[in-house]
Amino acid sequence: NAGVMQNPRHLVRRRGQEARLRCSPMKGHSHVYWYRQLPEEGLKFMVYLQKENIIDESGMPKERFSAEFPKEGPSILRIQQVVRGDSAAYFCASSPVTGGAGTEAFFGQGTRLTVV
Amino acid sequence: GESVGLHLPTLSVQEGDNSIINCAYSNSASDYFIWYKQESGKGPQFIIDIRSNMDKRQGQRVTVLLNKTVKHLSLQIAATQPGDSAVYFCAENWGNDMRFGAGTRLTVKP
Repeated sequence: NAGVMQNPRHLVRRRGQEARLRCSPMKGHSHVYWYRQLPEEGLKFMVYLQKENIIDESGMPKERFSAEFPKEGPSILRIQQVVRGDSAAYFCASSPVTGGAGTEAFFGQGTRLTVV
Repeated sequence: GESVGLHLPTLSVQEGDNSIINCAYSNSASDYFIWYKQESGKGPQFIIDIRSNMDKRQGQRVTVLLNKTVKHLSLQIAATQPGDSAVYFCAENWGNDMRFGAGTRLTVKP
């Protein structure tokens, strides 16, 4: 049973380009969470999705950032017109039930985005 | 030694000593808590969890203590080893998702 798979592991984009980060949850998991981590800092919640639904996007910047989790395929975190301040590690986690029910979320290895 | 997990403080311990990492959580309605370990360049790994109806839970070499009165969580690592060197985060459930503290970097000196 493969863990949470994120790709790419490293992504370099020039300012103004688009970044697409992919997350395939663990088999049987239908809940996906995206977190952002700056160097030497904790993980900041961005968005929580279930299949075809955004449940909570309170941590997502209002502009340039979007996320989806289609019925088929991985969850995608999309950052349009990237700026240097978007450089960070982006982690995805998945769980079989909601965090509110109290269950462990499994994390991927992250995508390290560098904007040059 | 012990450290409060704000703004990624560092805790340095001697190999073989016990470590105590502290965390203050913010949501009094949280009923589930997890400690994660994050090694350099990797994603967080589950260590141990605890529900709010408990005040202590033990795993292999690790113990989590929960004090709901002061909204405080601690992770105790017995006989700390070099492989324990990492950043440790506490997480609390927050509605539908988990929210993380800032973390503490544990360094184990041989």
